[in-house]
Amino acid sequence: EAGVAQSPRYKIIEKRQSVAFWCNPISGHATLYWYQQILGQGPKLLIQFQNNGVVDDSQLPKDRFSAERLKGVDSTLKIQPAKLEDSAVYLCASSLGLAGPYNEQFFGPGTRLTVL
Amino acid sequence: AQTVTQSQPEMSVQEAETVTLSCTYDTSESNYYLFWYKQPPSRQMILVIRQEAYKQQNATENRFSVNFQKAAKSFSLKISDSQLGDTAMYFCAFTHPGAGSYQLTFGKGTKLSVIP
Repeated sequence: EAGVAQSPRYKIIEKRQSVAFWCNPISGHATLYWYQQILGQGPKLLIQFQNNGVVDDSQLPKDRFSAERLKGVDSTLKIQPAKLEDSAVYLCASSLGLAGPYNEQFFGPGTRLTVL
Repeated sequence: AQTVTQSQPEMSVQEAETVTLSCTYDTSESNYYLFWYKQPPSRQMILVIRQEAYKQQNATENRFSVNFQKAAKSFSLKISDSQLGDTAMYFCAFTHPGAGSYQLTFGKGTKLSVIP
């Protein structure tokens, strides 16, 4: 079974520029998550989708971050404009059913963003 | 708010030996779930083991076991017969039913190196 795919793997941009990340979850997985992992810290949930609807975006900085999940499959996360503190690894994960402690999340390899 | 603390930023163990990683958490919830995730250098995070707070029996998955002390709010991971492939970052995580769609709260991680 193919895993969660993410692209690009690395991105370097100047502050105030825009950037977009793409995620393709495991086929058939209803729930999709975007996490931000700053160096030296654990992942922090940014947004969670159930099919193509947003379930939780309480920690998404909505003034600069946006995300969508097209047709309940692929998802994109955008930052506009980027700040230095956005430098991090952005992880995408998916799970088969509704979010819950028994629905294992499968993670992608992440996109490492460096903002100069 | 829930917090997860991993007090050991780095640890090392000789191959075939046993190592224990520490995790403490703070919560007022009575029903919750605890996890250990492994993030190898390739960055794809995987679930290692899960513990339900209502279960007194400690979870075990092959060489991985936990010591869950509910009163002390402690959740340590024991790795027996350490292998080179166990080298990774290990994150302790917490969730509960009221955490808005079972949002995971991660600790800062422990970097484990297995020495040949």
